[in-house]
Amino acid sequence: GAVVSQHPSRVICKSGTSVKIECRSLDFQATTMFWYRQFPKKSLMLMATSNEGSKATYEQGVEKDKFLINHASLTLSTLTVTSAHPEDSSFYICSAGGAHGNTIYFGEGSWLTVV
Amino acid sequence: TQLLEQSPQFLSIQEGENLTVYCNSSSVFSSLQWYRQEPGEGPVLLVTVVTGGEVKKLKRLTFQFGDARKDSSLHITAAQPGDTGLYLCAGIIQGGSEKLVFGKGTKLTVNP
Repeated sequence: GAVVSQHPSRVICKSGTSVKIECRSLDFQATTMFWYRQFPKKSLMLMATSNEGSKATYEQGVEKDKFLINHASLTLSTLTVTSAHPEDSSFYICSAGGAHGNTIYFGEGSWLTVV
Repeated sequence: TQLLEQSPQFLSIQEGENLTVYCNSSSVFSSLQWYRQEPGEGPVLLVTVVTGGEVKKLKRLTFQFGDARKDSSLHITAAQPGDTGLYLCAGIIQGGSEKLVFGKGTKLTVNP
């Protein structure tokens, strides 16, 4: 079964609004989670590292004020896309590891469409 | 600079053929993982390898981790149309952060 769960799987929002995506580790605690964005036919692009109880670490070129990350507990990280624009439409995926050693598991992904 | 070189990027074969996908790096990895991703879904873990020279088998899939832990391969025997998908190798660099370093992926199409 799923080890990391992501919700929602698909969301459509209006331009200018904000949308939140949740990532949960189901049977282990994850002090670190990762958020990726994936463009069609491309590999995953790391956006940020979500650290429980502290600020997220963003990759170069990723706007931290636009992509708000909150890792409030050891099993939940959220990504909020603020003031969304059509160019933010993409497939967003989270991952987490830890209790299973070096293995990192991915969520199911969330399709965001901004209209 | 691509830390993990994955090849080939695209592969189209007939059902029943064998194939091998390679991931190579100049860096040493503490672990390396192979994922398969279907369109519109998140990557699904196939295997994790951690020991140099390690070979793992998953039905018709054979995974090998190089002795120096710098490279890995995925071999599929008698490919089936159900094997079609994007295969990703990803690893954690030894002594580095927890971030996964990804290959660019191999888009495999198995034609009936």
